[in-house]
Amino acid sequence: GQQVMQIPQYQHVQEGEDFTTYCNSSTTLSNIQWYKQRPGGHPVFLIQLVKSGEVKKQKRLTFQFGEAKKNSSLHITATQTTDVGTYFCAGDSNYQLIWGAGTKLIIKP
Amino acid sequence: DTEVTQTPKHLVMGMTNKKSLKCEQHMGHRAMYWYKQKAKKPPELMFVYSYEKLSINESVPSRFSPECPNSSLLNLHLHALQPEDSALYLCASSQFWTRYGEQFFGPGTRLTVL
Repeated sequence: GQQVMQIPQYQHVQEGEDFTTYCNSSTTLSNIQWYKQRPGGHPVFLIQLVKSGEVKKQKRLTFQFGEAKKNSSLHITATQTTDVGTYFCAGDSNYQLIWGAGTKLIIKP
Repeated sequence: DTEVTQTPKHLVMGMTNKKSLKCEQHMGHRAMYWYKQKAKKPPELMFVYSYEKLSINESVPSRFSPECPNSSLLNLHLHALQPEDSALYLCASSQFWTRYGEQFFGPGTRLTVL
């Protein structure tokens, strides 16, 4: 079946270091969404990418959608404690929203 | 108002009980969703309602019964659940369901089945 692979599963960073999570789809996507879920919380929409090669920025967050609309990435510059949580991508393919497994961002003490 | 509310926040039930989860949104969204989320896993779609009609049932067991009384309300009726059904149940809404757009999630109901 259709899958969206997301890596890594976890990333431990020192505060101030960068963080990146990647999603790769087995099929071409109509669009891809990114959500953040804080510990004990619910998913919160971050952004939706629609166009091939699209790049969008939200302050320290940079989102990219690949040229073939099969892969996407989220990069956070200079992580802060408020960035802690699990980041999910969710790809829209044939009226199915396929979720990646998530990448948990952990700030080292 | 950009909020999706869910009640109750926590629910403990026995395998013979009948209970209901409730979800409400007042954003005028015409698509509403039920998701199930296990620990350390992504949300798993259960049902989609579009314009108050059931559009998707992801092969969910009949012990889960959804209901959409009107465009603002979504219920999930639970009966004869199993311990493995213990999870966080999330309701979400979006403006339409033609192509998935931004989904607004409620805080969830944490369900424990004994």
